[in-house]
Amino acid sequence: KQEVTQIPAALSVPEGENLVLNCSFTDSAIYNLQWFRQDPGKGLTSLLLIQSSQREQTSGRLNASLDKSSGRSTLYIAASQPGDSATYLCAVNNAGNMLTFGGGTRLMVKP
Amino acid sequence: GAVVSQHPSRVICKSGTSVKIECRSLDFQATTMFWYRQFPKQSLMLMATSNEGSKATYEQGVEKDKFLINHASLTLSTLTVTSAHPEDSSFYICSAQQPGQGSEQYFGPGTRLTVT
Repeated sequence: KQEVTQIPAALSVPEGENLVLNCSFTDSAIYNLQWFRQDPGKGLTSLLLIQSSQREQTSGRLNASLDKSSGRSTLYIAASQPGDSATYLCAVNNAGNMLTFGGGTRLMVKP
Repeated sequence: GAVVSQHPSRVICKSGTSVKIECRSLDFQATTMFWYRQFPKQSLMLMATSNEGSKATYEQGVEKDKFLINHASLTLSTLTVTSAHPEDSSFYICSAQQPGQGSEQYFGPGTRLTVT
């Protein structure tokens, strides 16, 4: 059974810092991995989707990497802003198209 | 990107009543839809997988007679919480997926259910 772990569970940084969120998974037989953002009381916003054959994806200040063999992904946020404050979730897509979510990292960027 | 809607966004009901939540894919046909539940400060937990025209597949520990899922068309799936109890209060989120192994899931905005 796939297990997804995100570290740290919570993170507080001053504005402008570059930061890295970590995601690890136990079963490397995945189709893709996705990073989401969730604001309190809201649904999910898809940030980046990395197919299993890819190593990384970039969108603006966000860069996500994938090392499938070691079961790891990182989300890099450059020059963090208070508006980046949210919970970040990673999810892996296994056989059967099921998404398994990590516990999330709650990010607070202080002005 | 593809758009998925949910209705209602928020519902309050009395204990013992039933509540229906709709999930629609607005601009694509979704052969598979998924229903998730999220308790406060926790991550999303998959409840069931819904395939158009067939019975839903429920995850272990999810009561199929309590959480009725209907996927009658390629753009609509419904989740009915029957005989709701306060412990069913949660955030319910659906996602829809286009055909193809490993294709992206698009998420709805969620429905906040409060059972009093």
